[in-house]
Amino acid sequence: QVQLQESGPGLVKPSQTLSLTCTVSGGSISSGGYYWSWIRQHPGKGLEWIGYIYYSGSTYYNPSLKSRVTISVDTSKNQFSLKLSSVTAADTAVYYCARGQGATWPWGQGTLVTVSS
Amino acid sequence: EIVLTQSPGTLSLSPGERATLSCRASQSVSSSYLAWYQQKPGQAPRLLIYGASSRATGIPDRFSGSGSGTDFTLTISRLEPEDFAVYYCQQYGSFLTFGGGTKVEIK
Repeated sequence: QVQLQESGPGLVKPSQTLSLTCTVSGGSISSGGYYWSWIRQHPGKGLEWIGYIYYSGSTYYNPSLKSRVTISVDTSKNQFSLKLSSVTAADTAVYYCARGQGATWPWGQGTLVTVSS
Repeated sequence: EIVLTQSPGTLSLSPGERATLSCRASQSVSSSYLAWYQQKPGQAPRLLIYGASSRATGIPDRFSGSGSGTDFTLTISRLEPEDFAVYYCQQYGSFLTFGGGTKVEIK
């Protein structure tokens, strides 16, 4: 079955760019039919959609984050990535990748990214 | 942006009881593009219901979803010990937004 795994630095300095990668196993991103999403959860809080991408490269972003977000895909590595620029403490969260642009499933286990100097 | 409001914030119930969770949208959710998730501490959310009323693969039939337009409900017919968790609704008719969650705790 399809599994997703996030990877990347757990600590990012303010004003820098947060970069995460999601590696998909058990299925091909290129097979089509699904978008691939990034979602975050602030500590002890609810869920916030960041954006999603199709294997062709088509992207859709949360309007509230759009100016700082870039999502890209590397089909040769079966990965998709998130970049969030100009981070502040408010970007400290658990970041999840997931399959789907609607009812998303499965999800990765999540990775905590802390923004601090 | 479609805002989802979940109620109650916390539901205190005993195992075996029925749980009724509400999700209200600020505007109509097109084509009933409404999902429900369960999240336990330290875990990623798990998809329970999609399309307002369809159970995801492997989800027990004690979980059911209903509703349309702006009002949706998740019902757990008889709470099992493993059902105590936080539940989120999500709309995907217009991008994605999530509700604030309902915590179902043991009374």
